[in-house]
Amino acid sequence: GNSVTQMEGPVTLSEEAFLTINCTYTATGYPSLFWYVQYPGEGLQLLLKATKADDKGSNKGFEATYRKETTSFHLEKGSVQVSDSAVYFCALTSYNQGGKLIFGQGTELSVKP
Amino acid sequence: NAGVTQTPKFRVLKTGQSMTLLCAQDMNHEYMYWYRQDPGMGLRLIHYSVGEGTTAKGEVPDGYNVSRLKKQNFLLGLESAAPSQTSVYFCASRPGGMVSTDTQYFGPGTRLTVL
Repeated sequence: GNSVTQMEGPVTLSEEAFLTINCTYTATGYPSLFWYVQYPGEGLQLLLKATKADDKGSNKGFEATYRKETTSFHLEKGSVQVSDSAVYFCALTSYNQGGKLIFGQGTELSVKP
Repeated sequence: NAGVTQTPKFRVLKTGQSMTLLCAQDMNHEYMYWYRQDPGMGLRLIHYSVGEGTTAKGEVPDGYNVSRLKKQNFLLGLESAAPSQTSVYFCASRPGGMVSTDTQYFGPGTRLTVL
């Protein structure tokens, strides 16, 4: 079945450091890929998404490129801020499956001043 | 618009007690979902609904029941709570149609502890 694997956390970075959170997936067909973010004490918010191979999703300085050849959707940001501290979830959904999301286990990011 | 709201925010139950979690959305969305979030496991789908009066099982449905009597509300019931149901529960909704790329909008969560 479909699945998503993320790099384990927690990840601790200094402010202005470069961020990469790895995400790989297993899916039949052509899934859409998402990154959701969960700030402390809150629900999940969509950060970015990509719907087909080679698409790049971007938002708030974060980027991720849909790589079908490596089945990956790694999240990157060139310069993190303290306010980026949160848990990041990679997820996929497939056409004709009621829009169900399949999540990775989440990666906690902590950014220190 | 309030978006997706969940009631209650916190609850402590004893083993064997029952309760109902309420999810409400004011965006006229067709699809609604219940997930549970456990440490190291991400979010897992419990049940979902593709429209008023319909429900379907997700990945981890055992021990839970749901109802969607009104389009805007999606109820999650625990008939006899067990400690394994201690978790944070999230509700989400999205517009209808066959396009699976529509964004899901999440509520703030309900933290449930079963003693």
